[in-house]
Amino acid sequence: AQSVTQLDSHVSVSEGTPVLLRCNYSSSYSPSLFWYVQHPNKGLQLLLKYTSAATLVKGINGFEAEFKKSETSFHLTKPSAHMSDAAEYFCVVSDLLGGSQGNLIFGKGTKLSVKP
Amino acid sequence: KAGVTQTPRYLIKTRGQQVTLSCSPISGHRSVSWYQQTPGQGLQFLFEYFSETQRNKGNFPGRFSGRQFSNSRSEMNVSTLELGDSALYLCASSLTGLGYTFGSGTRLTVV
Repeated sequence: AQSVTQLDSHVSVSEGTPVLLRCNYSSSYSPSLFWYVQHPNKGLQLLLKYTSAATLVKGINGFEAEFKKSETSFHLTKPSAHMSDAAEYFCVVSDLLGGSQGNLIFGKGTKLSVKP
Repeated sequence: KAGVTQTPRYLIKTRGQQVTLSCSPISGHRSVSWYQQTPGQGLQFLFEYFSETQRNKGNFPGRFSGRQFSNSRSEMNVSTLELGDSALYLCASSLTGLGYTFGSGTRLTVV
């Protein structure tokens, strides 16, 4: 079965410093991987997706993630944090075994706090 | 271009009642998925519909059901509500299945 593990439940950074949110995945197939962000009382917004093209994926708002098959990782990074980045981030894998892409498997989430 | 619209935004129901939640996908999107988000269990997949057919189903009891109409709008229904059904219910739509757009959700409180 496919799964994702977000290694940190909470990450705190200072504004202007780099962000690293860690995600490991488990998949028997070539996975589709995503990062979503959820601001308080809001829905989920897609930051970026990996679908077996380039291993370094650039997303919105300066975020990027690198797919490393040897390490089964898909960590999310940003060079410089903004206050507006404070939110909860979800690493997601698409469950191909279900016969469609519609079954997204979510990690438990990482809450990012940004200090002024 | 309008996003995914979920109605209502908030609901309060009593144990034992039933509830229907609605989701209007982005125009042209034929795939609609539903998810339940709770603090304890996180985000869990409920079901997916494509062209009015349920294509995939998560591990939820039969009290949770859904349907999709010919215009791709979808509804989910929960019967015999339990306290544990209190959650944020999120709907997502997709054109290709390679990236889903989520609505803002319906927050259901069961008392």
